[in-house]
Amino acid sequence: DIVMTQSPDSLAVSLGERATINCKSSQSLLSSSNYKNYLAWYQQKPGQPPNLLIYWASARESGVPDRFSGSGSGADFSLTISSLQAEDVAVYYCQQYYSSPFTFGQGTKLEIK
Amino acid sequence: QVQVVQSGSESKKPGASVKVSCKASGYRFTAHALNWVRQAPGQGLEWMGWINTITGNTTYAQGFTGRFVFSLDTSASTAYLQISSLKTEDTAVYYCARVGRLKGTADSWGQGTLVTVSS
Repeated sequence: DIVMTQSPDSLAVSLGERATINCKSSQSLLSSSNYKNYLAWYQQKPGQPPNLLIYWASARESGVPDRFSGSGSGADFSLTISSLQAEDVAVYYCQQYYSSPFTFGQGTKLEIK
Repeated sequence: QVQVVQSGSESKKPGASVKVSCKASGYRFTAHALNWVRQAPGQGLEWMGWINTITGNTTYAQGFTGRFVFSLDTSASTAYLQISSLKTEDTAVYYCARVGRLKGTADSWGQGTLVTVSS
C-alpha cells in the first residue's frame, strides 16, 4: 500500500498570511502514460463531509477560491493557502488515487494564530 | 445539481447488521463510480473501497473484506453499504462519494451516516 505522510500535523497561521501543508507519498504518483499526478487535496470542516479542493495535484476544483493552490510532482506535494481567511480553519487531507487502496494522509489541522 | 444523500444515523448492538443507503441525483448514476470512506470518531479518513456502478464490480481495502458489502440498485440510483456482525470498533461516520470521471477522485460526497455500535 502507498503510505501518505502529511506535515505538519497541525499548523497555526495568522489571518492574511500564507499557509503551506506538505504531503509525501511512499512511491511516485506520477503516471508515465498521461504525465498526471494522482493526488487530491480535501478540506473538512467540523461536522461536514470532505470537500474536494485540488485534483491531479494542481487542478483547482470549480468554486474553490484561487487562494488555494496545489503543487508538486512524483512523491512530494504541497497545498498552499496564499492569504488565510477565517473560513479556512479546517482539517486538510491529501489522498493518492494512483493505486488501490486509495490512501489518505493523516490530516493537518489548520488554525488561526 | 449533483446530490448524494445518505440514510440517517443508526444505533445497533454488537453482532447486528446495518445497511446504509446512498442515493444519487442530478447526474446519470452509471456514469460515475462510487467510493466508500470511513471516519471513526475524532480520527482521519479511511478509504474502504469502491463500486463500479455499471458492472457492480467491487474493490475492498484490506480491513474491509468479509463483513462489508457494497451493492447497487441502479433503477433507484442508489448504492448500499451493508455491515454484518457489527463490532463496537465499527462505530464511525460512513461516507459515500461520487468519483468524477475526468478528475479520477471523489468530487461529490454524501453528508455521512453515523453508525453507533454499543451494547
